[in-house]
Amino acid sequence: QQQVKQSPQSLIVQKGGISIINCAYENTAFDYFPWYQQFPGKGPALLIAIRPDVSEKKEGRFTISFNKSAKQFSLHIMDSQPGDSATYFCAARRRDAGNMLTFGGGTRLMVKP
Amino acid sequence: GAGVSQSPRYKVAKRGQDVALRCDPISGHVSLFWYQQALGQGPEFLTYFQNEAQLDKSGLPSDRFFAERPEGSVSTLKIQRTQQEDSAVYLCASSPDRGVFGYTFGSGTRLTVV
Repeated sequence: QQQVKQSPQSLIVQKGGISIINCAYENTAFDYFPWYQQFPGKGPALLIAIRPDVSEKKEGRFTISFNKSAKQFSLHIMDSQPGDSATYFCAARRRDAGNMLTFGGGTRLMVKP
Repeated sequence: GAGVSQSPRYKVAKRGQDVALRCDPISGHVSLFWYQQALGQGPEFLTYFQNEAQLDKSGLPSDRFFAERPEGSVSTLKIQRTQQEDSAVYLCASSPDRGVFGYTFGSGTRLTVV
């Protein structure tokens, strides 16, 4: 059973545009929601994260919006740049499971110049 | 070290061969995790260590998979009698403390079983 569902699978955005990636989860035991960025041949790197008691978190061009009642969260990348082209994963942590992460299926983002 | 180091970076194994994948976590990190990432998919949890204790191995796909961390630092993931479905990138991550979220991933080992 896929506990974290991510959409879209792929996304093409023009330079300067807004990239939006959505995730939904099922398990209410999740208590921390990070987003990872992965470039080819590299491991995932933490981008930004949010706790469920906060509805929005912004770091530079990256913003997470969180809707606890709907069990959904999303990543917004403002002023998207070609260097943002990568695969993005949402994830959810169960602290009672030793910080184990459950990942979404990933979104391959391409930002066109 | 500055980051999580994994070796080898690439491994080609013949079906039925045993393989061993190594992970050197960030010095002092208490927690160590192994994930499996199939092509085009998100990482999936395999197993978790806190120091030398393997606290969760619920994600290991079969009894052919075995992980150890005998001295609480370096960890080895061993796969016996490899099969084609084992082909994936194996990622290691470490975290400084159970209560602190400081996950850092290595670049992974790409295993191809032919």
